[in-house]
Amino acid sequence: DSGVTQTPKHLITATGQRVTLRCSPRSGDLSVYWYQQSLDQGLQFLIQYYNGEERAKGNILERFSAQQFPDLHSELNLSSLELGDSALYFCASSPPGFRETEAFFGQGTRLTVV
Amino acid sequence: AQKITQTQPGMFVQEKEAVTLDCTYDTSDPSYGLFWYKQPSSGEMIFLIYQGSYDQQNATEGRYSLNFQKARKSANLVISASQLGDSAMYFCAMGTGRRALTFGSGTRLQVQP
Repeated sequence: DSGVTQTPKHLITATGQRVTLRCSPRSGDLSVYWYQQSLDQGLQFLIQYYNGEERAKGNILERFSAQQFPDLHSELNLSSLELGDSALYFCASSPPGFRETEAFFGQGTRLTVV
Repeated sequence: AQKITQTQPGMFVQEKEAVTLDCTYDTSDPSYGLFWYKQPSSGEMIFLIYQGSYDQQNATEGRYSLNFQKARKSANLVISASQLGDSAMYFCAMGTGRRALTFGSGTRLQVQP
């Protein structure tokens, strides 16, 4: 158990809908990252938050948004869903300090758009 | 820009044998970290091993060791005494500063009895 909690584990929804994925980082971790893994592909970085503020953006679509709340949990909002958005979405958190890029991953949310 | 290259889409190994999964990287940052993750069929990403760019010795974690050759920009994962439970996707990743990790495309390892 990495200590990073993602909910829900599975989500099935229809095209055009909006969903929210939730992530609770490890205790003490300030950074939260969101990644997308499409079928049989590597992980693509979407967005990073650090202590409540957006730190970096990757290949995140305009239909997607995220935020990190004062208690450091984060939510990834996906709207106007398309079939191609079906993927495994991971949240990761990392601690402050020397090995700041060390990332601990949640178990992922498997999103299926039908 | 950072890049991770894993050239082996799939690998087979006999149970109890050692296997090396290749990873090369490219970055202009002098300080970086290299990671290996295991992803079983259930989907979770399991952290295996970390190597810092300034670490003098190769990292080891149980049956996992990282063969770090800085001049060649390679960070190969060696799994000794393979077990059936090692069958999974393996991802090499690199991180610098407080930026997100850059992942390779992965290697699917199958351990045969």
